[in-house]
Amino acid sequence: AQSVAQPEDQVNVAEGNPLTVKCTYSVSGNPYLFWYVQYPNRGLQFLLKYITGDNLVKGSYGFEAEFNKSQTSFHLKKPSALVSDSALYFCAVRDYAGNMLTFGGGTRLMVKP
Amino acid sequence: NAGVTQTPKFRVLKTGQSMTLLCAQDMNHEYMYWYRQDPGMGLRLIHYSVGEGTTAKGEVPDGYNVSRLKKQNFLLGLESAAPSQTSVYFCASRQGGGLSEQFFGPGTRLTVL
Repeated sequence: AQSVAQPEDQVNVAEGNPLTVKCTYSVSGNPYLFWYVQYPNRGLQFLLKYITGDNLVKGSYGFEAEFNKSQTSFHLKKPSALVSDSALYFCAVRDYAGNMLTFGGGTRLMVKP
Repeated sequence: NAGVTQTPKFRVLKTGQSMTLLCAQDMNHEYMYWYRQDPGMGLRLIHYSVGEGTTAKGEVPDGYNVSRLKKQNFLLGLESAAPSQTSVYFCASRQGGGLSEQFFGPGTRLTVL
C-alpha cells in the first residue's frame, strides 16, 4: 500500500525567507508525486508534479520541489515566501499502475510579514 | 469553462436522512473521484470512476454509493446519514492516462446532526 507523510502540521516563516514543506512517501515501483495547495474554503489547486527526469521540478507561483529517491522524499520549496503563500499544502503519491492518489495529512504554511 | 462544479455548497442533515451530492465537469475527463476531508487526515478517497458507467471503491467507501450515468456527472449518495459523515466533500476529475493531475471542485460542507 502506498502512503505519504507530512511530518509538520504547521510551518512558520517570515516573508522574504526561503520555505520548505516536507514530504516523504512509500510506494511500490516508480513514484508519481504531486503537490497541491488549498486556500481557505476552496478546493485543492495543482502546484507541480514529478514524473521522471530532473529531480528539481518547477511549478506554479514560484514553487519548486526536489525529488530524492534514496530518501524517498519530495520536499516543496520556495526561495522567497510571500504572505499570500499562507495556505494548506498537500503532498500526494500515485504508482503508475494505480488510479488513486494517496494524500498526506497536510501542512499549514503561515508566512508572517 | 466552469471546470469542476459541486452542488450543493452546504447542507445540514438529520441522522438517517438521505441525500445526493452532484459533481459535474466540462473538461471531457475520463476519471472522476469523490474525497472527504477531515481535520488532520488529509483527503481520503471514497469512490472513483474510470469512465462512464463504471465505479470502484476507494479507501473509505462504507455508507456511500455512487453512480456515473453520464461522462460529465458523478453522483455521491448517502442513504442513511450518520454524524460520522460530517465532513467536507470534494469531487475531482482528470484526463485518462497515467500521469495527468486532478482538478478539484470547490467542495460541499455537510453536517449531520
